[in-house]
Amino acid sequence: DGGITQSPKYLFRKEGQNVTLSCEQNLNHDAMYWYRQDPGQGLRLIYYSQIVNDFQKGDIAEGYSVSREKKESFPLTVTSAQKNPTAFYLCASRTGTGTYEQYFGPGTRLTVT
Amino acid sequence: AQKVTQAQTEISVVEKEDVTLDCVYETRDTTYYLFWYKQPPSGELVFLIRRNSFDEQNEISGRYSWNFQKSTSSFNFTITASQVVDSAVYFCALSDYTSYGKLTFGQGTILTVHP
Repeated sequence: DGGITQSPKYLFRKEGQNVTLSCEQNLNHDAMYWYRQDPGQGLRLIYYSQIVNDFQKGDIAEGYSVSREKKESFPLTVTSAQKNPTAFYLCASRTGTGTYEQYFGPGTRLTVT
Repeated sequence: AQKVTQAQTEISVVEKEDVTLDCVYETRDTTYYLFWYKQPPSGELVFLIRRNSFDEQNEISGRYSWNFQKSTSSFNFTITASQVVDSAVYFCALSDYTSYGKLTFGQGTILTVHP
């Protein structure tokens, strides 16, 4: 089945450690996105990528990094520089032509203590 | 800058009641897209509808209907005869008309439908 996978569902880390969240899609979509969701808030854009080897900062990129070496994969690294990393992280993808809706993965809930 | 406001933080209804979720947006673009997404307890966002700024026709899909009014910058969502399975967080979102497709989300409305 086509879709977006994010692993793991739950992730626990100690403060000061970098952690990488996985996002894979087999929809052949060109664009991929990372969002952060905090309780009672909407989603905020961290990074996005339109094509392989290219990505742009979103509204809250500080403390995060990404790579896009393959069309199917867009991993997000939460670095120790991110002051408040505990959140729900959602990955999305969108086809580059025609339709504009984004399709979302199941999310990863990161807890840093 | 784009902005989406969902003034209702939480709504609670009894099954079979109709419920309307409000969404007001701000944008300087003349061409844009509006969306509604549903987030059930599992966490994954489910796409419900996309509407472009040129099309003000209301849309109905089963028990769901959407009212887009450009004059008031609103894109409201109505669920008719609500069911317990409709309980979720609903997000309204706005996208500019570029290839980037970046979404600006509202804060979300938590809908609880009681049996």
